[in-house]
Amino acid sequence: DTEVTQTPKHLVMGMTNKKSLKCEQHMGHRAMYWYKQKAKKPPELMFVYSYEKLSINESVPSRFSPECPNSSLLNLHLHALQPEDSALYLCASSPLRGGVFGANVLTFGAGSRLTVL
Amino acid sequence: GQNIDQPTEMTATEGAIVQINCTYQTSGFNGLFWYQQHAGEAPTFLSYNVLDGLEEKGRFSSFLSRSKGYSYLLLKELQMKDSASYLCAVLLLNNNAGNMLTFGGGTRLMVKP
Repeated sequence: DTEVTQTPKHLVMGMTNKKSLKCEQHMGHRAMYWYKQKAKKPPELMFVYSYEKLSINESVPSRFSPECPNSSLLNLHLHALQPEDSALYLCASSPLRGGVFGANVLTFGAGSRLTVL
Repeated sequence: GQNIDQPTEMTATEGAIVQINCTYQTSGFNGLFWYQQHAGEAPTFLSYNVLDGLEEKGRFSSFLSRSKGYSYLLLKELQMKDSASYLCAVLLLNNNAGNMLTFGGGTRLMVKP
């Protein structure tokens, strides 16, 4: 299995809703990532988990709450979002064997397209 | 801050060769990636350079000059399916805390018949 699977593919939510995005990989990767991508813009890093622990938070507002229940799963809990949070949310994973060529390639999921009304 | 620049758009003809340039000024460097992204789809890995020189992989080649902070992606024998965005990304951090990848703005390539 060489894929990163994200659900749902599309999500529409109101500003008072609570929802979650899910990500799953079975490649044995010990690093998992959340990126946010606005239309015609590059992906922007939000969070990095390594060995199931949050290692990097790029000053993301607290209305986004990540969770890594185990080495294969990554969630992004959403609460009280704003319309400007509408974007494509990409999950990615990678090995953590630093310094070895090919070990650092991030594999991306197809994304969850979020619309906040 | 991090600065990764690439042209916004390029147009080329089917069967031709196109070169997409990327320049970077970053605090830290552990390698440079090129990703391809079709509209509405996931970015897919194309190439990785950490040493100076040319890496060739089929119709795609990528070049890196660390001293100049410069890379290019070369696409040969262009096909219509190569119409996509091409993302240059610098690997800033590469340790047990994870891999911090920062992307340039992307180059939208349109291949015409």
